[in-house]
Amino acid sequence: DTAVSQTPKYLVTQMGNDKSIKCEQNLGHDTMYWYKQDSKKFLKIMFSYNNKELIINETVPNRFSPKSPDKAHLNLHINSLELGDSAVYFCASSARGPYNEKLFFGSGTQLSVL
Amino acid sequence: AQSVTQLGSHVSVSEGALVLLRCNYSSSVPPYLFWYVQYPNQGLQLLLKYTSAATLVKGINGFEAEFKKSETSFHLTKPSAHMSDAAEYFCAVITQGAQKLVFGQGTRLTINP
Repeated sequence: DTAVSQTPKYLVTQMGNDKSIKCEQNLGHDTMYWYKQDSKKFLKIMFSYNNKELIINETVPNRFSPKSPDKAHLNLHINSLELGDSAVYFCASSARGPYNEKLFFGSGTQLSVL
Repeated sequence: AQSVTQLGSHVSVSEGALVLLRCNYSSSVPPYLFWYVQYPNQGLQLLLKYTSAATLVKGINGFEAEFKKSETSFHLTKPSAHMSDAAEYFCAVITQGAQKLVFGQGTRLTINP
């Protein structure tokens, strides 16, 4: 039973389209995250939610909108996709905050914008 | 603000040789430090973490790291490399009160037979 699952694993789409990535965790964690990993493997946080409340919103274009319908789910919707959005997007969760808590990562969604 | 620097984007060692992956941190307050490993096409997994207890931290798969405040370092070591250790390794830092874990740029470890 996968702890943090995200779908789809691969997403290939045209510029200008709107797409969503879904994430679910079955660990009972309070905090969930979205990270973006670029082609050089650099990993950067985008958003963090704690118990459905947005607590981190990094400098991310408004085209990216996270939605947390409940604390087990954190979805990422992207409008008007651009070439530069191509990356691997990781969902993660932790029991409380990230201080001394282990982050559990999903296996990633590889987004390719053509 | 805290940050980490991983020296060497790519490290290559022979099977059975010592693995040493370097990480230096910058923080004005005591940090919490982590090493994560990413196998191909997978998410990151925690290898070990330092949270102000023992300075020598043992993790999974035979890895360990030592927190050295005087050198602001948290290098990752393993005495004898195994082929299955080939992966991308990330050092990360956070301080109490901060909201986000900051990752280094990663080091790709290659194991030669």
